[in-house]
Amino acid sequence: AQSVTQLDSHVSVSEGTPVLLRCNYSSSYSPSLFWYVQHPNKGLQLLLKYTSAATLVKGINGFEAEFKKSETSFHLTKPSAHMSDAAEYFCVLTQGQAGTALIFGKGTTLSVSS
Amino acid sequence: NAGVTQTPKFQVLKTGQSMTLQCAQDMNHNSMYWYRQDPGMGLRLIYYSASEGTTDKGEVPNGYNVSRLNKREFSLRLESAAPSQTSVYFCASREGGSYGYTFGSGTRLTVV
Repeated sequence: AQSVTQLDSHVSVSEGTPVLLRCNYSSSYSPSLFWYVQHPNKGLQLLLKYTSAATLVKGINGFEAEFKKSETSFHLTKPSAHMSDAAEYFCVLTQGQAGTALIFGKGTTLSVSS
Repeated sequence: NAGVTQTPKFQVLKTGQSMTLQCAQDMNHNSMYWYRQDPGMGLRLIYYSASEGTTDKGEVPNGYNVSRLNKREFSLRLESAAPSQTSVYFCASREGGSYGYTFGSGTRLTVV
């Protein structure tokens, strides 16, 4: 069975410091992995995606993630946090082709203090 | 603007009432999905439609029904609403064979 585990429900950082949001996955097949962000009372925005090409994936707003098959991980990082990064982040898994749904982690809330 | 449109954006129901959440996409996508979002639970799949004319249950289908009316529209129906169905509902669509999912802006439903 496929699953996604976000290891931290809440992460707090200071503005200008690095961000690390951790995600582990379980999948019987080669997965595709995504990170989505949701700002308060807003919809979901795609940050980045891994679909079996380069293992280091760069996304929007300075975020990047590295796919590590040996560790079954897909952690999200950013070198320097900004106040506008405060939001909820979801690690998401999918497999296969047409019709396959997304499997969401439970989310990590990122707080950024000044 | 191209995308996924959900209506209504907000709704309050009394226990036992019924309602239909509407979703329409104008990107000619084959697959459509309904998710619910609850605090600390992420998004959980209710139902999905891989293509026009087909629907399948997801992780949490109980208490819901769906209709894939045509390629554009995928509705979610609550026949007898319960307080446990208070949630934010998201519709999404996806082009077959690609990984590009598009989400609607959500429907916030409260059942009292």
